[in-house]
Amino acid sequence: DTAVSQTPKYLVTQMGNDKSIKCEQNLGHDTMYWYKQDSKKFLKIMFSYNNKELIINETVPNRFSPKSPDKAHLNLHINSLELGDSAVYFCASSLLADYGYTFGSGTRLTVV
Amino acid sequence: KQEVTQIPAALSVPEGENLVLNCSFTDSAIYNLQWFRQDPGKGLTSLLLIQSSQREQTSGRLNASLDKSSGRSTLYIAASQPGDSATYLCAVRPGNQFYFGTGTSLTVIP
Repeated sequence: DTAVSQTPKYLVTQMGNDKSIKCEQNLGHDTMYWYKQDSKKFLKIMFSYNNKELIINETVPNRFSPKSPDKAHLNLHINSLELGDSAVYFCASSLLADYGYTFGSGTRLTVV
Repeated sequence: KQEVTQIPAALSVPEGENLVLNCSFTDSAIYNLQWFRQDPGKGLTSLLLIQSSQREQTSGRLNASLDKSSGRSTLYIAASQPGDSATYLCAVRPGNQFYFGTGTSLTVIP
């Protein structure tokens, strides 16, 4: 009964490939997020969806495209992967601004 | 833009000590502040959430305080244990997203 689940947990792929990371939450939250954690452990927001509508879109290469089929799912598709995309990607969800985040366990992406 | 700073970046203490982790933020207009713990290679676990109208929150040996006007929060850990070793992250929420600090890496020595 995991609250926020991400798949896969690990992803190793070659440069130039296209890959997707999936996220699902069963908390009934209305907002979901994608964060990137770099090698220095700093967390930076990439995207946020509220009820399937994009509300935050930080400066992220066009190769990254989020998709939210419903408010319980937020997937991240990455085209033409580059070495610099290697990082840990975290999905999170929350309910309204008065509530905190619940995080998924992360997806460690390694591009070789 | 909101900036969050955590001091110290790393801390090493002997088991049993009480300790304080600091978090400061530049814009006091926040909805809430959340403290997280991250173990190596793992995700983030929420420890405490403080709403902007609150001064502190407690959970077991943890106590977090918030002084919104001065842009500061502290996380107090009582009677530290080796199992407390982890990175502690502070995050503030001025709107639709949380802004994270760079974390304090804590090592509790048995």
